[in-house]
Amino acid sequence: ETGVTQTPRHLVMGMTNKKSLKCEQHLGHNAMYWYKQSAKKPLELMFVYNFKEQTENNSVPSRFSPECPNSSHLFLHLHTLQPEDSALYLCASSPRTSLGEQFFGPGTRLTVL
Amino acid sequence: DQQVKQNSPSLSVQEGRISILNCDYTNSMFDYFLWYKKYPAEGPTFLISISSIKDKNEDGRFTVFLNKSAKHLSLHIVPSQPGDSAVYFCAAGSDRGSTLGRLYFGRGTQLTVWP
Repeated sequence: ETGVTQTPRHLVMGMTNKKSLKCEQHLGHNAMYWYKQSAKKPLELMFVYNFKEQTENNSVPSRFSPECPNSSHLFLHLHTLQPEDSALYLCASSPRTSLGEQFFGPGTRLTVL
Repeated sequence: DQQVKQNSPSLSVQEGRISILNCDYTNSMFDYFLWYKKYPAEGPTFLISISSIKDKNEDGRFTVFLNKSAKHLSLHIVPSQPGDSAVYFCAAGSDRGSTLGRLYFGRGTQLTVWP
């Protein structure tokens, strides 16, 4: 499999649940990103990892917890979410965090009930 | 405060004609600009980019124009094809300072190309 993959593609969870989103890139990139896209809003950067180290946390609430065990995998752990957290969560990767093209996965459509 | 703006949520163009998608930005530090295309149920895919040292970049049917003084860029698609129907996102970033490598996105413009 090539490119950036994300699982699951769809997720429905209650506010008390704990779930995780997974992202995997097969491009040999060193930087990985989590974005959130809410309805009628621009993509919002959440987290940036460069060589497995978190380099940016864009004031994201602690109920979102990222994990990057290696350069190919990125997780987003979710707990006690709110209905307003319902959105499309996109993972992206790039060769490094300097400017250039970012490659996106297909996203996980999250619904919080 | 939105630093990249796409003021037209939608655009409808007849096949064969030119599609012009517009984007404005507010941060004069931006020096790199990208356009992404997104189909339903897929992630955004990179289309074309331009750095601030240029005012035009062309790739096949796609041309991006940059007007730094107006803080405006546009994407021209000619001729437009039905397969171009998608949401187009403008993004901008800076290769310097604390926002190194961070991209700021517009809300997107839904392009519909009809036969």
